[in-house]
Amino acid sequence: GAGVSQTPSNKVTEKGKYVELRCDPISGHTALYWYRQSLGQGPEFLIYFQGTGAADDSGLPNDRFFAVRPEGSVSTLKIQRTERGDSAVYLCASSLTPLAGYNEQFFGPGTRLTVL
Amino acid sequence: GENVEQHPSTLSVQEGDSAVIKCTYSDSASNYFPWYKQELGKGPQLIIDIRSNVGEKKDQRIAVTLNKTAKHFSLHITETQPEDSAVYFCAASYNNDMRFGAGTRLTVKP
Repeated sequence: GAGVSQTPSNKVTEKGKYVELRCDPISGHTALYWYRQSLGQGPEFLIYFQGTGAADDSGLPNDRFFAVRPEGSVSTLKIQRTERGDSAVYLCASSLTPLAGYNEQFFGPGTRLTVL
Repeated sequence: GENVEQHPSTLSVQEGDSAVIKCTYSDSASNYFPWYKQELGKGPQLIIDIRSNVGEKKDQRIAVTLNKTAKHFSLHITETQPEDSAVYFCAASYNNDMRFGAGTRLTVKP
């Protein structure tokens, strides 16, 4: 079946602009995660949704970052007043409802964000 | 919070040799340890995982071992092939909190 998809694959924007990144999880997966990956680093957790609600947003770096998942499937990561330091690959992952803490996550291809 | 250390950062082996990547974690509550392979321009792909109630797991040429007492786990790839060349990430997770290592760039020379 279809995996996690993310759009756009690449986004170039200017400092100070607003961007939206979209994630389509695997059908039936109730959990959805956003990560940020800087060059040469592992994915860094941003936010986790269980259904429509953000169960854990402790990884969001500041209030310029916001994410929604209004119908419990597609999610949008929104970044206001972008800064050059926001440049990274933004990864989305989804999983079935974790059972007893086990959490097999499936990743999308990512959106490469470049802030000029 | 959880902290995951991964070594080495780069690893070069000859085709057919074995490759070993090691990770340590700090939070004894972590109970799920996946390994991901990431190729250039793609998202991480799960290749094998192990749960805290198991000490070792094998899938063809790939095996993972876990030492809960020492809080470390390792990935073993045998009979390496050029297509194994990629960046490999370990991770440690408890509930929905997953932390990744910094990655190991594996190069398999033909």
